[in-house]
Amino acid sequence: AQSVAQPEDQVNVAEGNPLTVKCTYSVSGNPYLFWYVQYPNRGLQFLLKYITGDNLVKGSYGFEAEFNKSQTSFHLKKPSALVSDSALYFCAVRDNAGNNRKLIWGLGTSLAVNP
Amino acid sequence: KAGVTQTPRYLIKTRGQQVTLSCSPISGHRSVSWYQQTPGQGLQFLFEYFSETQRNKGNFPGRFSGRQFSNSRSEMNVSTLELGDSALYLCASSSEWGWSEAEVTDTQYFGPGTRLTVL
Repeated sequence: AQSVAQPEDQVNVAEGNPLTVKCTYSVSGNPYLFWYVQYPNRGLQFLLKYITGDNLVKGSYGFEAEFNKSQTSFHLKKPSALVSDSALYFCAVRDNAGNNRKLIWGLGTSLAVNP
Repeated sequence: KAGVTQTPRYLIKTRGQQVTLSCSPISGHRSVSWYQQTPGQGLQFLFEYFSETQRNKGNFPGRFSGRQFSNSRSEMNVSTLELGDSALYLCASSSEWGWSEAEVTDTQYFGPGTRLTVL
């Protein structure tokens, strides 16, 4: 069965430091991976996705994510964190096996960037 | 292009009542998905519609229902509300639906959500 894990409920980082938000997945077929961000009282905003090809995916607001097939991971990264990056981050996966198109979501990681 | 819109943004109901939430997708998008978001459970998939047909359904009781209109706008209905139905209900739209790689990897764009409080 498909699953997504975000092993950290909360990540704290100082402004200007690099940040990483972790995501691991389990699928039967080829994984298609997504990252979204949610600011308070808002819907989810799309950041980036991995379909195939280059393992490093660049997205919105300076974020990037690295796909690692052997470790079944898709960690979100940013070289220099901003206070305004403080939000809830969600990883999601869908695969190309079976007949289920549902996006499977992690429980989210709360990122706090301290000034 | 205007984004996904959801109405109302906030709703307060009492147990036993019913509620209807509305979602207008991005212009040109024909697929609409609904999710329930709660602090402990994260995003739980409710259903997905395309061309006025429900294509996929999550593990929710029959009190939760939905529909999609010919203009791709969608509504979801919750009958006989329970306290546990208090949540943020999110609607997401995408351009197509299908099994090709392009369709399976199509991005979902979310609305701001409807915050439902059941007293």
